[in-house]
Amino acid sequence: TQLLEQSPQFLSIQEGENLTVYCNSSSVFSSLQWYRQEPGEGPVLLVTVVTGGEVKKLKRLTFQFGDARKDSSLHITAAQPGDTGLYLCAGESGSARQLTFGSGTQLTVLP
Amino acid sequence: DAGITQSPRHKVTETGTPVTLRCHQTENHRYMYWYRQDPGHGLRLIHYSYGVKDTDKGEVSDGYSVSRSKTEDFLLTLESATSSQTSVYFCAISERGEGSGNTIYFGEGSWLTVV
Repeated sequence: TQLLEQSPQFLSIQEGENLTVYCNSSSVFSSLQWYRQEPGEGPVLLVTVVTGGEVKKLKRLTFQFGDARKDSSLHITAAQPGDTGLYLCAGESGSARQLTFGSGTQLTVLP
Repeated sequence: DAGITQSPRHKVTETGTPVTLRCHQTENHRYMYWYRQDPGHGLRLIHYSYGVKDTDKGEVSDGYSVSRSKTEDFLLTLESATSSQTSVYFCAISERGEGSGNTIYFGEGSWLTVV
């Protein structure tokens, strides 16, 4: 079973601060995705990274896929209360197109 | 909006009773999945389907069965519900984007409480 360890599990910061969430594994993934989930809703895809070393930016969010495709990070610059939510990483492997999810990071941005 | 509808959205049932959750998609996607989400565990795959009548087990399949008789519908059945199956259940569908990996779209979830 492939495992994805996500850290930190909980993060509470003030508006305007920067933060980084990490997603680590001993396994290699063909791609890695980041999702954001709000209470009472399903996860929504933010980004997919597929190439080792790839960096993608989505406004104030920067996603990086490790060179060895075993880890990833999500960096948020100048966090806003609207960024509050559960952030999940998920790695894809195997021909069945299955995803292995991390346990999530619950982010709270205080005004 | 990926056109996924889950039903029921909320259900309370008694231990030992059978329960069926339904997932309906309007996108004609080949792959459909059932996940459960529990605190501290993220999302864990129960079963998935890669076509009509083609299904396979995921990480936490014990106590669950699935069926897919039509492309658009994927049913998850708890033959005899237990309290450990109290959870939020998410259906998902997937398509392969060009060079972008496996894009998965999730439904809004079904909250199941087994008392």
